[in-house]
Amino acid sequence: QSALTQPASVSGSPGQSITISCTGTSSDVGGYNYVSWYQQHPGKAPKLMIYDVSNRPSGVSNRFSGSKSGNTASLTISGLQAEDEADYYCSSYTSSSTSVVFGGGTKLTVL
Amino acid sequence: QVQLVQSGAEVKKPGASVKVSCKASGYTFTSYGISWVRQAPGQGLEWMGWISAYNGNTNYAQKLQGRVTMTTDTSTSTAYMELRSLRSDDTAVYYCARDFGYCSGGSCYTNHWYFDLWGRGTLVTVSS
Repeated sequence: QSALTQPASVSGSPGQSITISCTGTSSDVGGYNYVSWYQQHPGKAPKLMIYDVSNRPSGVSNRFSGSKSGNTASLTISGLQAEDEADYYCSSYTSSSTSVVFGGGTKLTVL
Repeated sequence: QVQLVQSGAEVKKPGASVKVSCKASGYTFTSYGISWVRQAPGQGLEWMGWISAYNGNTNYAQKLQGRVTMTTDTSTSTAYMELRSLRSDDTAVYYCARDFGYCSGGSCYTNHWYFDLWGRGTLVTVSS
């Protein structure tokens, strides 16, 4: 069982927007702004898409945005494209063990 | 070219040890730490720990304390992860990943809670 809870799957049509949630506790998501999101295509290494809750690394499309409310962080992808189909993982610093915890991952299907 | 190149796939018997290498190139090795993250087949990501390439300080996941050792060789810009007393549930792809680096307001920083450069992964299979 993962420390952070994500929906197993979400889907959307090209051009639409989707949001993936990531629920933790006050020891991780709710207590710190060290929340990140990774995109992973099959057979590939993860790619950092969002850090510090809502910041995008250089080169990441502005169609990807992040936010947080209480113990739940969210990743929103707008203007869905076929290449967005992948697994998405949230991650957070956790003070309970001074480490990093991941969510279980969400499979995004672009219909 | 900035990259992390990992060693090849391994097959080990239960109880054995495995040592995976991760050779960095294209950047100053000692300016960033390296984390190890594993992914069991069809499963999610699991953070295993972190090592500073600057001074060798480590921070291991509590679950793996006592079984994992992370080291670096600055002369070859290589990080290593050794896992002992292997069990079948250690079967996974093992990734090395570099601290996230960014610049803001004229200064540059690293943050070892995020990872912006990943190796391609090393499959470790534990089977009798």
